[in-house]
Amino acid sequence: EIVLTQSPGTLSLSPGERATLSCRASQSVSSGYLAWYQQKPGQAPRLLIYGTSSRATGIPDRFSGSGSGTDFTLTISRLEPEDFAVYYCQQYGTSPYTFGQGTKLEIK
Amino acid sequence: EVQLVQSGSEMKKPGESLKISCKASGYYFATYWIGWVRQMPGKGLEWMGIIFPADSDTRYSPSFEGQVTISADKSINTAYLQWSSLKASDTALYYCARVFSGWTLGYWGQGTLVTVSS
Repeated sequence: EIVLTQSPGTLSLSPGERATLSCRASQSVSSGYLAWYQQKPGQAPRLLIYGTSSRATGIPDRFSGSGSGTDFTLTISRLEPEDFAVYYCQQYGTSPYTFGQGTKLEIK
Repeated sequence: EVQLVQSGSEMKKPGESLKISCKASGYYFATYWIGWVRQMPGKGLEWMGIIFPADSDTRYSPSFEGQVTISADKSINTAYLQWSSLKASDTALYYCARVFSGWTLGYWGQGTLVTVSS
């Protein structure tokens, strides 16, 4: 199965700053089938990005995704207070459709 | 509006069986894959498996195959996750979720907490 490794484990930033989260796959992700989810405490995950760079319904344009092959990035251009959460990448090109271990984005 | 409503929290003993449910509304249930995701206490998301209710085609993660059974009843728009013999290590929050694009999970239930303790 494809193993996804996210870095950093924790990212400490201030509102208004730019966040860059990384997701590296153990083998190439088929057709760029890489998604990002946001999870806040006590809530179910929310789909942010699919197909590497397409925003899901209702997702603000400060969220963007990029990458190819084995290296992918989620960028949040200017952090809002509600963006501090845990972020997971998921590859859905090869079953089982594995998740990364998560990056916690915390307020500095 | 797509909604997934999961059954309530469960407290069970090791060795007991359990079946939790996920009732869907707001779309044609049979023609969208529904997946299950485990989240152990304080940990990340784990993809367990997915089912296509129209024909019950089911795919499992190797980590969960043989440990759980995923099923669906399209007559009542409900998907299920079941265990025949629970272990303490099955203690977790379990989410059902419907696919959005490809195999991404775009609509989530609220989660069912399963606690297994003697």
